[in-house]
Amino acid sequence: SQTIHQWPATLVQPVGSPLSLECTVEGTSNPNLYWYRQAAGRGLQLLFYSVGIGQISSEVPQNLSASRPQDRQFILSSKKLLLSDSGFYLCAWSRDPMNTEAFFGQGTRLTVV
Amino acid sequence: GENVEQHPSTLSVQEGDSAVIKCTYSDSASNYFPWYKQELGKGPQLIIDIRSNVGEKKDQRIAVTLNKTAKHFSLHITETQPEDSAVYFCAARSDYKLSFGAGTTVTVRA
Repeated sequence: SQTIHQWPATLVQPVGSPLSLECTVEGTSNPNLYWYRQAAGRGLQLLFYSVGIGQISSEVPQNLSASRPQDRQFILSSKKLLLSDSGFYLCAWSRDPMNTEAFFGQGTRLTVV
Repeated sequence: GENVEQHPSTLSVQEGDSAVIKCTYSDSASNYFPWYKQELGKGPQLIIDIRSNVGEKKDQRIAVTLNKTAKHFSLHITETQPEDSAVYFCAARSDYKLSFGAGTTVTVRA
């Protein structure tokens, strides 16, 4: 069976510090990978998606970047965090981009202080 | 791009009653409509989904209906139980992207 791992579960970082959140998927190959952000009391905003190694599409301009160094690894990064980067970050995967369900990780609660 | 609107934002129901959440979408090319349940501090879990060639789907106490002409879809939960209390999100897939509604916080009163 397929599983998705996301860590850390919680993170408190000072403004201006770097960020690296990691997501890995097991039990499947060539997954489509996604990073979402969920602000308090709001829906999920798609930040990045990837259909293959090294292929990253950005949905919104922001202080964050994403990379996919391996088939089943997706990393969300920032060089310098802003207060507005606080939120709940979710990684997700799907088998194909068009017509199948997406499975979410457990999320990372990021607080920038 | 796709725009998904979800109503109501909060819903309180008596245990045993039904709960209905409604969503509308804007992109007529959207062809896949999942519903997710999110418990506090956790990632969303898929509970049911429907594809554009189907008008209704049911799984035990949960059902989803889709009206492609009107571009709206709904989640129905019957015989609600306390464990149904959570935040529910609708979504619509267009191209590679799942666009989500803002969520409905459902509280089931015992």
